[in-house]
Amino acid sequence: GAVVSQHPSRVICKSGTSVKIECRSLDFQATTMFWYRQFPKQSLMLMATSNEGSKATYEQGVEKDKFLINHASLTLSTLTVTSAHPEDSSFYICSARDTGEQIHTEAFFGQGTRLTVV
Amino acid sequence: SQKIEQNSEALNIQEGKTATLTCNYTNYSPAYLQWYRQDPGRGPVFLLLIRENEKEKRKERLKVTFDTTLKQSLFHITASQPADSATYLCALPPYNQGGKLIFGQGTELSVKP
Repeated sequence: GAVVSQHPSRVICKSGTSVKIECRSLDFQATTMFWYRQFPKQSLMLMATSNEGSKATYEQGVEKDKFLINHASLTLSTLTVTSAHPEDSSFYICSARDTGEQIHTEAFFGQGTRLTVV
Repeated sequence: SQKIEQNSEALNIQEGKTATLTCNYTNYSPAYLQWYRQDPGRGPVFLLLIRENEKEKRKERLKVTFDTTLKQSLFHITASQPADSATYLCALPPYNQGGKLIFGQGTELSVKP
């Protein structure tokens, strides 16, 4: 099946610094990618939709100035957590669908990034 | 607003038995529903998709049903194995917006040998 690669898989940063997470579709093109956050024992919460060549669309309650999303190519989206605080510590996961497929198809997920802010 | 509910209690079953997980939703009629498996510290992995006009779908030991009247999907794993132990998530497209998915909280399945 299609592969979505997310990097890094684990990162520890100091409070107040910024962290960038990359999400790549390795063998397909994705005009749209999605970023989720998951706290322990909870489900995935959609944060934003990343659109290639245009601004991201954020879900209600997600601060767009804090979670910067860039989708510069058809295979790469990045999420930057700016001025990170301990409450931003979470598991961040991206997903993508093959642009060439119909909408009603499976989503491919990255392996996730465990962010710990100390 | 749309809501997805899965049995939040962990499901413990004996190897060889059939595991049945439930997903209920409210406040809209999705065009399709998906089931994913998630292992600890990993991203979800797609298992099955069932469309609104399909009652049942099978894939090897997996079976999914979709009752649009009850607004419920059942996910069955037959002849369960310890390797099936994981969290299983159901997902729906919110108001049928292309590409997006909202997830239930997941049900943790533990299969004992």
